[in-house]
Amino acid sequence: DIQMTQSPSSLSASVGDRVTITCRASQGISNYLAWYQQKPGKVPKLLIYAASTLQSGVPSRFSGSGSGTDFTLTISSLQPEDVATYYCQKYNSAPVTFGQGTKLEIK
Amino acid sequence: QLQLQESGPGLVKPSETLSLTCTVSGGSISSSSYYWGWIRQPPGKGLEWIGNIYYTGNTYYNPSLKSRVTISVDTSKNQFSLKLSSVTAADTAVYYCARQVAGSRGWFDPWGQGTLVTVSS
Repeated sequence: DIQMTQSPSSLSASVGDRVTITCRASQGISNYLAWYQQKPGKVPKLLIYAASTLQSGVPSRFSGSGSGTDFTLTISSLQPEDVATYYCQKYNSAPVTFGQGTKLEIK
Repeated sequence: QLQLQESGPGLVKPSETLSLTCTVSGGSISSSSYYWGWIRQPPGKGLEWIGNIYYTGNTYYNPSLKSRVTISVDTSKNQFSLKLSSVTAADTAVYYCARQVAGSRGWFDPWGQGTLVTVSS
């Protein structure tokens, strides 16, 4: 199975900072990658699919990029409500798998 | 607006079978292009895809759980269900149902609220 590895596992940043989270696939997955945000105690929410397509209703400060094995989720200006754990998910082949998550906190 | 809601026992004994149902509202489970999936999340841990089903009954399962999982659909009730047999404490998790977009291997949106299932005697 293709493994998805996120880095860092956790990070702390200040309001207004630009934040980047990386997801690496153990094999190429083209652009078959989604990103989710899970706030504490809440349900995962789809942010991005096809590596860079923003889901309707998601703030434009979120963006995704990458193809092949290396992908990034960027928050252009961190807001307090962005405190959450972020997961990537590959879906080029079965089984779909998730990264281990990146926990984002406010400094 | 499509909504999904999980239901079922919150406590299951070891070696028994976990059974959950997901009720879909605000849309038809028989819509083409969508699969309907189950995902779980052990307390404090990450997400694991369990499997999915199409309204015709076609299923895909995670190989790591395949021997113990059965997913079924009832289009007349707009529901799909999960059965996981021979459970152990390692199966304790929040179980989510979700619509799987873009085929059997797509992304998940929306998700149900999730239901915590604890395996304990």
